[in-house]
Parts: sequence; structure tokens; C-alpha cells
Amino acid sequence: GNSVTQMEGPVTLSEEAFLTINCTYTATGYPSLFWYVQYPGEGLQLLLKATKADDKGSNKGFEATYRKETTSFHLEKGSVQVSDSAVYFCALLVSGNTPLVFGKGTRLSVIA
Amino acid sequence: SQTIHQWPATLVQPVGSPLSLECTVEGTSNPNLYWYRQAAGRGLQLLFYSVGIGQISSEVPQNLSASRPQDRQFILSSKKLLLSDSGFYLCAWSEQVYTEAFFGQGTRLTVV
Repeated sequence: GNSVTQMEGPVTLSEEAFLTINCTYTATGYPSLFWYVQYPGEGLQLLLKATKADDKGSNKGFEATYRKETTSFHLEKGSVQVSDSAVYFCALLVSGNTPLVFGKGTRLSVIA
Repeated sequence: SQTIHQWPATLVQPVGSPLSLECTVEGTSNPNLYWYRQAAGRGLQLLFYSVGIGQISSEVPQNLSASRPQDRQFILSSKKLLLSDSGFYLCAWSEQVYTEAFFGQGTRLTVV
């Protein structure tokens, strides 16, 4: 079946630190990959996406590259801010299959 | 532009009472609609999705049901709530089943 595995949180970083949140996937097919962000008390917002191998999605300083050879889609940001504190979800979508499949989420806390 | 409305934002209900959560989408026609549940530490679980009026797919056997009485309205219901129904419920929509979804602000349900 299709599944997404994210690194366990919480992750606590100081402001301006480098961020990596690991995400790997298993898919029966050729998936599209997504990162969603959930700020406290809110719904999920699409952060970035990639639809084919070697694509790089980017938004708000965050980046993730679709690596087919390692079945990974790690989220990175060079310099985090306090306002980046949120829960981040990796997700996949396989055409002809069920809707989005999510990882368990990784809580990020950035301290000043 | 498209918007999604979900209400209420918070709800406290006694065990055994009924439940009705409503979600509506504006600015699009024939959207695909979803209900997800987010329990603490367990990520996002897809409960139901609908590709058209009266068409409901159930992903997980639950004490819950869903209905789509109008094109852009999706309702999540229960006849008798259980303690285990507590969680954060999220409605979402997409243009097609196999594209990224856009989420509402969520309903925090506490069953006491």
C-alpha cells in the first residue's frame, strides 16, 4: 500500500538555524509529493509540492526535492524563524488510487 | 477565488449525544470533498470522501457517517458519540480526486 514516514518530533531549533525534516514514502505507482503546514489551532495549508522525480518544490524559503532513487522528499529551510513554529505534514498522492495519504506530522518549535 | 467554510470551530458534546458538522465550499463547482480526523499523536486519518452529490466513500469503519445533500455541502454526523470520537476534524476539497486538497479551519470536538 501507500504510506509516508516522517521523522518523529518535536524538533526544537534556535532562530536562524538550518532545518531538515525527513520524509520517505512507499507507493504503488508514481506519486506526487506534498508538504503541508499546520499553524496552531488552524487547518492545513499547502506549503509546496513536486509531481515528478528531481522536481524541487519551494515556497516561503522552504524547499524539498523529489528523490525517486531514495523515495524521499525531505523538507529544508536555511534559516528558520519563530513564525515557522508549526506542525509539518508530508503527503503523497497516486493517481488512480485513494486521495492524499499523510505522514504523522512533525512539530517544529523555533525559539528566539 | 475558492473558499471553504467549516463550523463550528469548537464543540463539547456528552457521550451518547448526536453530532453534525457542516462544511461548504464556494467559488467552484462539483468539487471533491473530504473529511479527515486528526487525533493527538496519530496524524491525519481520511474518514470519508465524495466525488459528487450522494456519492460517499468510507475509508474506515467508524461511529460516523457523511452525507452530501448539495454539490458544495458536506456533512459529518453521528447518532451517538463515543469518547474516542474526540479529535480535530478537518474538511477539505479538491478539483479532482487525484490532486492536492485545500483545507478548512477545522473543528475541535471534545466528547465528555
